[in-house]
Amino acid sequence: GENVEQHPSTLSVQEGDSAVIKCTYSDSASNYFPWYKQELGKRPQLIIDIRSNVGEKKDQRIAVTLNKTAKHFSLHITETQPEDSAVYFCAATSLSGYSTLTFGKGTMLLVSP
Amino acid sequence: NAGVTQTPKFQVLKTGQSMTLQCAQDMNHEYMSWYRQDPGMGLRLIHYSVGAGITDQGEVPNGYNVSRSTTEDFPLRLLSAAPSQTSVYFCASSYFNEQFFGPGTRLTVL
Repeated sequence: GENVEQHPSTLSVQEGDSAVIKCTYSDSASNYFPWYKQELGKRPQLIIDIRSNVGEKKDQRIAVTLNKTAKHFSLHITETQPEDSAVYFCAATSLSGYSTLTFGKGTMLLVSP
Repeated sequence: NAGVTQTPKFQVLKTGQSMTLQCAQDMNHEYMSWYRQDPGMGLRLIHYSVGAGITDQGEVPNGYNVSRSTTEDFPLRLLSAAPSQTSVYFCASSYFNEQFFGPGTRLTVL
């Protein structure tokens, strides 16, 4: 089955800095890679996703890059703000039929003012 | 639309007790899943369903049962609760692989 590794487990940055979270996956059949943000005590919420027919996707201050050859994908947050502080999860799955999402273990991002 | 709802929000059980965590969605999604979330472990899939009458096991199914008699409801049953089942449980429904999570149930087993 799929295995997703996520690094780092914790990340502290100053407000305005950039933050990068990296994930690797094992199943070459995976072709859908979402990222979720979870604030303390709340449910995970989808913030951005990427499919394997593109290498990069951007949405305002958030971007995701995908390297299918190396089987890794990354989340980039620019101009970080204190409200970006949360746990971020990457995940991977195949879009063929229904395949279950496999999640990374999460990265706790702390943005200090 | 209420989206995905879960009840109860909090529950304390004694070892050996049984209970059912309720999950419902009003988006007419075929796919539904149950996850547990433990510190440092991310979200792990317990059971999932691709439609009414069809269920399958995920990564950590032991000690849990599910059934799917309607599109809307996907209850999770703990047969004999154990302290190792202390966790936060999330139900989700899926549309084209995008997961919509419920608010979660925080379960403590003493």
